[in-house]
Amino acid sequence: GQQLNQSPQSMFIQEGEDVSMNCTSSSIFNTWLWYKQDPGEGPVLLIALYKAGELTSNGRLTAQFGITRKDSFLNISASIPSDVGIYFCAGQNYGGSQGNLIFGKGTKLSVKP
Amino acid sequence: ETGVTQSPTHLIKTRGQQVTLRCSSQSGHNTVSWYQQALGQGPQFIFQYYREEENGRGNFPPRFSGLQFPNYSSELNVNALELDDSALYLCASSLGGELAEAFFGQGTRLTVV
Repeated sequence: GQQLNQSPQSMFIQEGEDVSMNCTSSSIFNTWLWYKQDPGEGPVLLIALYKAGELTSNGRLTAQFGITRKDSFLNISASIPSDVGIYFCAGQNYGGSQGNLIFGKGTKLSVKP
Repeated sequence: ETGVTQSPTHLIKTRGQQVTLRCSSQSGHNTVSWYQQALGQGPQFIFQYYREEENGRGNFPPRFSGLQFPNYSSELNVNALELDDSALYLCASSLGGELAEAFFGQGTRLTVV
């Protein structure tokens, strides 16, 4: 089945630094989404991408849908302590009315004040 | 606008027992999906319900079953619980169709002993 490779697995950075993480797939997706999950909570949607090549921002976050439709990246600029958490990419295809999300294994971000 | 709510938040069951988890979808959303998230992993798709019909299923055995009600709330039932069923169970709701933005509840932490 489809699998997503998310990297890096973990990052430990200084407050104020920029962060970059990416996700690659063995097959194409119609939609890419990025979520953040805090301990004991459900994932929170950060950015949704619907078109190959699309670049979308949400505050300090910027994500891009790769041209090949097999990859996506997420950048966080000027990190702050509350950025700590696990970031997941998810890909989705729609066949008929079905559209389950395929998740990566996550990138754990730690920020040192 | 109310978000996705799940109950209970935590649950401990004995191997072989049955469990029912509940989810209220976000106002206006007609599609509910359930995911299982093992420790240190990304969420794995169990199944999806669209307008009270199962609309897709992941690689989970038949002892995982579900329902969606006319108000679009949903239940996940797991029979004959196994130790490996211990996980965070997440419910996500969306508008269905090609709008992929799924919003998650806080999850139910199930421990099987």
